[in-house]
Amino acid sequence: DTAVSQTPKYLVTQMGNDKSIKCEQNLGHDTMYWYKQDSKKFLKIMFSYNNKELIINETVPNRFSPKSPDKAHLNLHINSLELGDSAVYFCASSQMGGRHNEQFFGPGTRLTVL
Amino acid sequence: AQSVTQLGSHVSVSEGALVLLRCNYSSSVPPYLFWYVQYPNQGLQLLLKYTSAATLVKGINGFEAEFKKSETSFHLTKPSAHMSDAAEYFCAVIYTGTASKLTFGTGTRLQVTL
Repeated sequence: DTAVSQTPKYLVTQMGNDKSIKCEQNLGHDTMYWYKQDSKKFLKIMFSYNNKELIINETVPNRFSPKSPDKAHLNLHINSLELGDSAVYFCASSQMGGRHNEQFFGPGTRLTVL
Repeated sequence: AQSVTQLGSHVSVSEGALVLLRCNYSSSVPPYLFWYVQYPNQGLQLLLKYTSAATLVKGINGFEAEFKKSETSFHLTKPSAHMSDAAEYFCAVIYTGTASKLTFGTGTRLQVTL
């Protein structure tokens, strides 16, 4: 049973295109996150939703728009893709205030922009 | 700014030798502290976490970490390295008042040689 799943696992696209990455968790958590890992392996948070409300919005270009239709899903839509958007994007989930805020990560989506 | 420092982007040890990966945080108030491991082309797996119940924390795969408030450190150790330990290791913290935002260190790549 996959706890946090992401689709697709790999995404190759051209500059200027619009693409979406989907994330689902079956852990019953109320908080979900998007992280970006760049080519140097550096991990940085992008967004976080708690009970479908945006609670963390780091300095991210507004071409990136997260959407949380319900507590179990957090999608990431990216408009007008640029070369610098190439990275691995990780989704994570946690229960706010529970188990010392331990976050569970998905397998990642490797985005390559050509 | 609140940060996490991992000394040594690359550590090489012989199989059977002691593993020591260093992590320091920057806060007078102890945050939540975590160590994650990332195997090649995979997601992040939690090794262990500091919960304030004990300063010496035992995790999976024989790893442990010691919280030292006086040194603002949370170094990761394993008495005897195994080839399967070769991976990228990330120290991460959640500082008080940051809505569960995980701040990652830059990572340390552990290489294990015969």
